[in-house]
Amino acid sequence: DIQMTQSPSSLSASVGDRVTITCRASQNINKYLNWYQQTPGRAPKLLIFAASSLQSGVPSRFSGSGSGTDFTLTISGLQPEDFATYYCQQSSSPLRGYTFGQGTKVEIK
Amino acid sequence: QVQLQQWGAGLLEPSETLSLTCGVYGGSLSGYYWSWIRQPPGKGLEYIGEINPSGNTNSNPSLKSRVTTSADTSKNQFSLKLTSATAADTAVYYCARRIASLSVRAFDIWGQGTVVSVSS
Repeated sequence: DIQMTQSPSSLSASVGDRVTITCRASQNINKYLNWYQQTPGRAPKLLIFAASSLQSGVPSRFSGSGSGTDFTLTISGLQPEDFATYYCQQSSSPLRGYTFGQGTKVEIK
Repeated sequence: QVQLQQWGAGLLEPSETLSLTCGVYGGSLSGYYWSWIRQPPGKGLEYIGEINPSGNTNSNPSLKSRVTTSADTSKNQFSLKLTSATAADTAVYYCARRIASLSVRAFDIWGQGTVVSVSS
């Protein structure tokens, strides 16, 4: 299995802050890395696919970078609606399954 | 605008088979994989399995022996069966559409989720 490790597990930030979440894969996944946002009681929402491509309709304050084993999600100018849990997900090999990170909860400071 | 609407039994006894169906509205099954993902209470997301309209399937190796996915193109829906349910299968179950290109494999559209509890 490919393990995905996110850090931090949670963080507190203020509106307007720049927030960075990291995700590390246990082996090389090239750019097969996606990011999702989930608010309580709702299904996850795709933000970034293929490590750095912004999903249609997602605000440009969200950005992703990385390749290989190390990836980051950055929110430039945190907005009230961004307080949520964020998950990374690798999609390197369909035959081996797709694994998610454990999640990073972004809370209001 | 493609939407997914899912349904199925929400309460099971141990050893029963979990059965869920997801309807695809505003689009067809063609060109995508159709997936199932679950989330135990207070925990993270776990991929279960998927199918494409041609009948090709993939699944989580840890669940593979218990998972069956199927698709009905005439009804524009796909289904999940998970046998021998235990309390560890208690979760919110989501259906989702997976982009199926060579360079992009992401879940871009999700159903509303179905709460499934396994208890005696």
